[in-house]
Amino acid sequence: NAGVTQTPKFQVLKTGQSMTLQCAQDMNHNSMYWYRQDPGMGLRLIYYSASEGTTDKGEVPNGYNVSRLNKREFSLRLESAAPSQTSVYFCASIRQGITGELFFGEGSRLTVL
Amino acid sequence: GNSVTQMEGPVTLSEEAFLTINCTYTATGYPSLFWYVQYPGEGLQLLLKATKADDKGSNKGFEATYRKETTSFHLEKGSVQVSDSAVYFCALSVQTGANNLFFGTGTRLTVIP
Repeated sequence: NAGVTQTPKFQVLKTGQSMTLQCAQDMNHNSMYWYRQDPGMGLRLIYYSASEGTTDKGEVPNGYNVSRLNKREFSLRLESAAPSQTSVYFCASIRQGITGELFFGEGSRLTVL
Repeated sequence: GNSVTQMEGPVTLSEEAFLTINCTYTATGYPSLFWYVQYPGEGLQLLLKATKADDKGSNKGFEATYRKETTSFHLEKGSVQVSDSAVYFCALSVQTGANNLFFGTGTRLTVIP
């Protein structure tokens, strides 16, 4: 039972480099989310996708882009990484019509030097 | 707006002690309330929820009651175990479907034998 799978789990980048975080869910969920987790700030929503083919900005979208490739996959791209993007990133998905019951991946720890 | 304020941590307790983690909220509508738990190295997972006033959510010996009059959803457990050591997040949602959860900053609990 895979649930939500994120790759990579760890990544170190230099300032200005680009990378894509991958996320896939096998629960047939419609909606998917990308959060970042920083000490003392809880989780903040970066982008979400209500359904295949749609994406919307969350609280902190600057410096990121997303792609909802199909119903299963939702990727997060950093085009030009900055030290302020050092964080732990979580992908999550939700069953349609079920409020707030997100299923999370294990997280991707990104360090930008 | 919508926000969650939860007890600052960290909290350190001895095994079998009583636990309370305070959570209060501000919401524009009629929120659902949640507690999520994050064990070391893992993503968040739903611990319990309550969808209307006076509901009590419970799971794994933890419980929380939705108090509309005090806008609170405090987490309690009568006798904690070492395995309860984790970060606990209070959250609220005011929408269904492709919603956004508003998270508190998290409270780290350490239980010592």
